[in-house]
Amino acid sequence: KAGVTQTPRYLIKTRGQQVTLSCSPISGHRSVSWYQQTPGQGLQFLFEYFSETQRNKGNFPGRFSGRQFSNSRSEMNVSTLELGDSALYLCASSSGQGNGELFFGEGSRLTVL
Amino acid sequence: LAKTTQPISMDSYEGQEVNITCSHNNIATNDYITWYQQFPSQGPRFIIQGYKTKVTNEVASLFIPADRKSSTLSLPRVSLSDTAVYYCLVGSFSGGYNKLIFGAGTRLAVHP
Repeated sequence: KAGVTQTPRYLIKTRGQQVTLSCSPISGHRSVSWYQQTPGQGLQFLFEYFSETQRNKGNFPGRFSGRQFSNSRSEMNVSTLELGDSALYLCASSSGQGNGELFFGEGSRLTVL
Repeated sequence: LAKTTQPISMDSYEGQEVNITCSHNNIATNDYITWYQQFPSQGPRFIIQGYKTKVTNEVASLFIPADRKSSTLSLPRVSLSDTAVYYCLVGSFSGGYNKLIFGAGTRLAVHP
């Protein structure tokens, strides 16, 4: 069974640009959650999608958005990039029910210059 | 959402047993306790999960007292490859929401 796939793995952007990250969950999983990880703030919850609907959202500005497609693949977008957006962005998939074990991808490392 | 408190760092030596305790005083009735392991530049990996009493799998044991306000992850006979950050989470998909919030984690260093 293939794991969670995130693309791209690494990317460099400049301030003011926008970026789109992609996540393909484990087959059969309908929930996709996104986390931002930085050395100073640790792992912070961004949002979760289940069956194409955002079910929960963390405390991030509106520049951070996401969506989920009918095949459960998800994308997140960050507009008007700031230096502080440099981070490892992690996607996790789950069945979305019950006790909710999360399966993480390798992450997309974004550097904003 | 239940907040977790765990030691920032721990040191151990190869072959020793390591116990990492997590406090979660405000755990809700529907919440499970889950531990994840993370290596640098990788996503966290599920280790073990429990609701009450004791759970054991091939890599760890999880001890949960009756009041569920704390839990202890036990790693038997650690090796250098167990050097990682360990996160304790409490939460569930109760009510249809992902309520799995990560704390700061415990950085475990295993020495030769």
